[in-house]
Amino acid sequence: QKEVEQNSGPLSVPEGAIASLNCTYSDRVSQSFFWYRQYSGKSPELIMSIYSNGDKEDGRFTAQLNKASQYVSLLIRDSQPSDSATYLCAVKSGGGADGLTFGKGTHLIIQP
Amino acid sequence: DAGVTQSPTHLIKTRGQHVTLRCSPISGHKSVSWYQQVLGQGPQFIFQYYEKEERGRGNFPDRFSARQFPNYSSELNVNALLLGDSALYLCASNTRLREEFFGPGTRLTVL
Repeated sequence: QKEVEQNSGPLSVPEGAIASLNCTYSDRVSQSFFWYRQYSGKSPELIMSIYSNGDKEDGRFTAQLNKASQYVSLLIRDSQPSDSATYLCAVKSGGGADGLTFGKGTHLIIQP
Repeated sequence: DAGVTQSPTHLIKTRGQHVTLRCSPISGHKSVSWYQQVLGQGPQFIFQYYEKEERGRGNFPDRFSARQFPNYSSELNVNALLLGDSALYLCASNTRLREEFFGPGTRLTVL
C-alpha cells in the first residue's frame, strides 16, 4: 500500500516569510514527485515537479527531494496572501501506470 | 491552447442511477487519468488510459468503468450509484505519463 503523508495543518505563516511544507512517502520505487496547489472549490494546479535528488527552483518556489529519506519538501519564499491554499504532495512510480498517489494536503494560511 | 475540459460541471443523481462524465485532454496529450476526490482528502486514482488502452487501475469497484476514444477524449461511467460516490471527479491529461494537468472537475452529488 503506497502512502504519502503530510501534516494537514493549518500552517500559518506571516506575509513575506518562508512557508515550508513537508511530505514523506512509503514506496521506495517512487521516481516522480509533484506539488499541487488547490484553492477551495477548485481543482489541483501543478506548481512543481522534481525527479532527482536535490533542489529545484522556480520563481518563489523551491522543491527539495531526498530519496534516501523518502522526503519531499516545498519552500515558498516571500509568501503572499494569494498563496493561501491546500498544497498536495503527489508521487508516481517509475512506470507511471498506477497514476499519482496523493497525500491529504496541508492547508496553508498566509497572514497579512 | 485550451486546457483540460470536463463536462458537466455539476451533477445531481439519486442512489442506484448511472452517470457518465466526460473529459477532453490538452491538445497533443494522448493519456488521460481519472481521479476521485472526496472532501478533506487528496485525489484517489481510478483509471489511466494511454493511446485508447487501459494502462492502470486503482482500487475501485467494477461499478466504475472508463474508455478513451480515437480523439483521446474519455468517459468515466459509474453504475448503481451510492451515497459514498459523492465527490469531485477529476480528469488529468498528461504526456509521456509524467506530469499530469487537471481539468476543473465534475462535482457529483448522490442523494
